[in-house]
Amino acid sequence: EDKVVQSPLSLVVHEGDTVTLNCSYEVTNFRSLLWYKQEKKAPTFLFMLTSSGIEKKSGRLSSILDKKELFSILNITATQTGDSAVYLCAVEGVSSGTASKLTFGTGTRLQVTL
Amino acid sequence: EPEVTQTPSHQVTQMGQEVILRCVPISNHLYFYWYRQILGQKVEFLVSFYNNEISEKSEIFDDQFSVERPDGSNFTLKIRSTKLEDSAMYFCASSLTSGGANQETQYFGPGTRLLVL
Repeated sequence: EDKVVQSPLSLVVHEGDTVTLNCSYEVTNFRSLLWYKQEKKAPTFLFMLTSSGIEKKSGRLSSILDKKELFSILNITATQTGDSAVYLCAVEGVSSGTASKLTFGTGTRLQVTL
Repeated sequence: EPEVTQTPSHQVTQMGQEVILRCVPISNHLYFYWYRQILGQKVEFLVSFYNNEISEKSEIFDDQFSVERPDGSNFTLKIRSTKLEDSAMYFCASSLTSGGANQETQYFGPGTRLLVL
């Protein structure tokens, strides 16, 4: 059974701090690892990682995947109150059929305070 | 920017009633999915759909659930006889390809919050 474990479960930081969110996984027929941000409703896509060691970057957010050790990290530098959200890690795998499925972790709830 | 839409945003129903949740995926996407999130819990995969048939389904997706693409734009999830434990947020998602190295991810709709009383 595919499994995703995220840590920490929750985090409170001050604006301007840097945070690192962790995600470890086990998956059958790995295709990719994805990070989403969930504020009130739908998860919104941040990154898709398929190759080890290649950092994906978007503004103050960056992420990297280690396929050998089966984990990924999401870094947020110079945090702002607008970064407050639940950050979801998901792995995409295929066990049968043609379409893949996403297995999500429980998320890390980040709160950025002034 | 194209997006996945879902209706209704909220639905309240009595236990045992049938509900149909509707989704309009992004127009050129070929793969469609339903996920659910029980309050305070993780997002869980229900079913994937491609080429007018179910590609994969989870253990949650039992005989009470069905999916359909009745026309070229809508994708529906039907729950035949709702139970209290079906109360959750239901997310529809779509993707252009089956993902992976093609770098095409799944895009999520805003969700339908279902409450079964």
